[in-house]
Amino acid sequence: EVQLLDSGGGLVQPGGSLRLSCAASGFTFTTYAMNWVRQAPGEGLEWVSGISGSGDDTAYAESVKGRLTISRDNSKNTVYLQMSSLRADDTAVYYCARGSGTFLTTSRVLDVWGRGTLVTVSS
Amino acid sequence: EIVLTQSPGTLSLSPGESATLSCRASQSINNYHLAWYQQKPGQAPRLLIFGASSRTTAFPDRFSGGGSGTDFTLTISRLEPEDFAVYYCQHSGTSPLYTFGQGTKLQIK
Repeated sequence: EVQLLDSGGGLVQPGGSLRLSCAASGFTFTTYAMNWVRQAPGEGLEWVSGISGSGDDTAYAESVKGRLTISRDNSKNTVYLQMSSLRADDTAVYYCARGSGTFLTTSRVLDVWGRGTLVTVSS
Repeated sequence: EIVLTQSPGTLSLSPGESATLSCRASQSINNYHLAWYQQKPGQAPRLLIFGASSRTTAFPDRFSGGGSGTDFTLTISRLEPEDFAVYYCQHSGTSPLYTFGQGTKLQIK
């Protein structure tokens, strides 16, 4: 069964850091780009970051550039989102999502999603 | 950056009726890059339609997508109780990679 298990969320103070993880199973991990999408409470979906199957190519939303870093460990079938300088408006459920292709530019949809992990930024 | 505007914000219908949800792009887009997702409360979104009109196997043929250029629609015929959810359209681009509409909430009347 194709599955994404995202974890690592929690309560963090403004200016703090957190690392999210997403463990993949049931498919050839290196064949797919991976992404993070977030959803603030009661709000819509916002794409945050993506990484190609090899890990050589990354992309970020303007709202998180310089503060969030995506990476992947293909030996562990895991993608990460390192979050720093967190702000109150980063509070959201963060979903790990699989792109439909290997490369960022060829992944036109997000075809498998994790259940999400909640990040709360508050003092 | 392409902006997607969905309408209506909320749609109230009864089981058995048909629903038409709209997604308008701020500029003409290729059908290849337009998708729809369904999200139920407390759950992750699920891919429903890709390439504007191709339905994933997880959904019945009561769901159909259409449109071109700047105007796209998701039609759900013979609404079932499990169809009531929030629906998002999405465009795949280069920067940002993915843009979502604000969503249409389909609720039971």
